Amino acid sequence: AQSVSQHNHHVILSEAASLELGCNYSYGGTVNLFWYVQYPGQHLQLLLKYFSGDPLVKGIKGFEAEFIKSKFSFNLRKPSVQWSDTAEYFCAAQYSGGYQKVTFGIGTKLQVIP
Amino acid sequence: ETGVTQSPTHLIKTRGQQVTLRCSSQSGHNTVSWYQQALGQGPQFIFQYYREEENGRGNFPPRFSGLQFPNYSSELNVNALELDDSALYLCASSSYAGTGGWTEAFFGQGTRLTVV
Repeated sequence: AQSVSQHNHHVILSEAASLELGCNYSYGGTVNLFWYVQYPGQHLQLLLKYFSGDPLVKGIKGFEAEFIKSKFSFNLRKPSVQWSDTAEYFCAAQYSGGYQKVTFGIGTKLQVIP
Repeated sequence: ETGVTQSPTHLIKTRGQQVTLRCSSQSGHNTVSWYQQALGQGPQFIFQYYREEENGRGNFPPRFSGLQFPNYSSELNVNALELDDSALYLCASSSYAGTGGWTEAFFGQGTRLTVV
């Protein structure tokens, strides 16, 4: 079955610390990968996406992710977090098929302490 | 803002009742998907509508049904509500890009349904 695993459910960091959130997806052929962010009380927003090409993807707000096909991983990184990055982060995968089903991980709650 | 709007924002229903949730997709998008996000979980795919027909469904019973209208707006209907149906229901819109692919999905703010 198609699945997405996120390694950390709750992460607490101090401002200016570096962030890496782990994500693994199950094999299923061609896959598009996403990281979404959900700020408190707001809708899911797309941080970045990987469809093909350069495996190092840059997104909004200084986030980047690296697609490593051999490890089925798509980890999210940010060199220096800010208090405003406090949110829940979801890794997601969309497998090729007859319809667009996005499979989400359980989410990682990030708390940044000033 | 994504351009995807959902109504209502909050709803309280009694077990056994029926509910209808609404979604207006982003301009130019012809595909709508619905997701259920239970507390502490990631969104789970319910189904997708393309050209007014359901063309994909997740692991949800038939009492979850939907409609897509010619203007690409959509409804999610849930019959015989159960306590476990309490969740945030998200609508996402996108477009079919040809050769089996879709553009990225844009999500609405969701409808928080509480079943008591």
